[in-house]
Amino acid sequence: SQKIEQNSEALNIQEGKTATLTCNYTNYSPAYLQWYRQDPGRGPVFLLLIRENEKEKRKERLKVTFDTTLKQSLFHITASQPADSATYLCALEGTGNQFYFGTGTSLTVIP
Amino acid sequence: GAGVSQSPSNKVTEKGKDVELRCDPISGHTALYWYRQRLGQGLEFLIYFQGNSAPDKSGLPSDRFSAERTGESVSTLTIQRTQQEDSAVYLCASSRTRTLRETQYFGPGTRLLVL
Repeated sequence: SQKIEQNSEALNIQEGKTATLTCNYTNYSPAYLQWYRQDPGRGPVFLLLIRENEKEKRKERLKVTFDTTLKQSLFHITASQPADSATYLCALEGTGNQFYFGTGTSLTVIP
Repeated sequence: GAGVSQSPSNKVTEKGKDVELRCDPISGHTALYWYRQRLGQGLEFLIYFQGNSAPDKSGLPSDRFSAERTGESVSTLTIQRTQQEDSAVYLCASSRTRTLRETQYFGPGTRLLVL
């Protein structure tokens, strides 16, 4: 079955540093992969989509990479700010036309 | 409305009771999804609707769970004979069409607590 793994440990980084979050998947070759942000008590909010033929996608301080050989996506936040503290989820389309979300990585940016 | 809305925002019920959760998607969105999120866990796909096509119910955990959607509007998720393990946040999302190329817009969720 489709399996998605994200950093199991919470990530704490100092303000101004770059945060790097990992999304690894198995048993499928998705054409698209998405990243979402989820704040406590709220639904996820879409951040970025990357296609299988794109190696890298940027949006302001965010950068996503997609390595279909390694079956891995990396999500970077540069010049991190305390307001970036949240849980970040990756999502991809798996078998059976279902969407699968990772369990998320909790990020805390320390002032 | 401007976004996906869900009601109620919180629901406390007794074990064995039935509950009905409502989702109002963004107008014009043909695809609608229901997810379950247990405390500290990721999103668990439950069901999706795409236009007038038959819904994909493959994620529903048991026959106590059912969902309906009228056309491309409101959807209701019903849980019969609730159990304590049903306690979770139930999230609804909609998108223009059913493909991961499209952004899924999530509602705030319904927090269900089964005592």
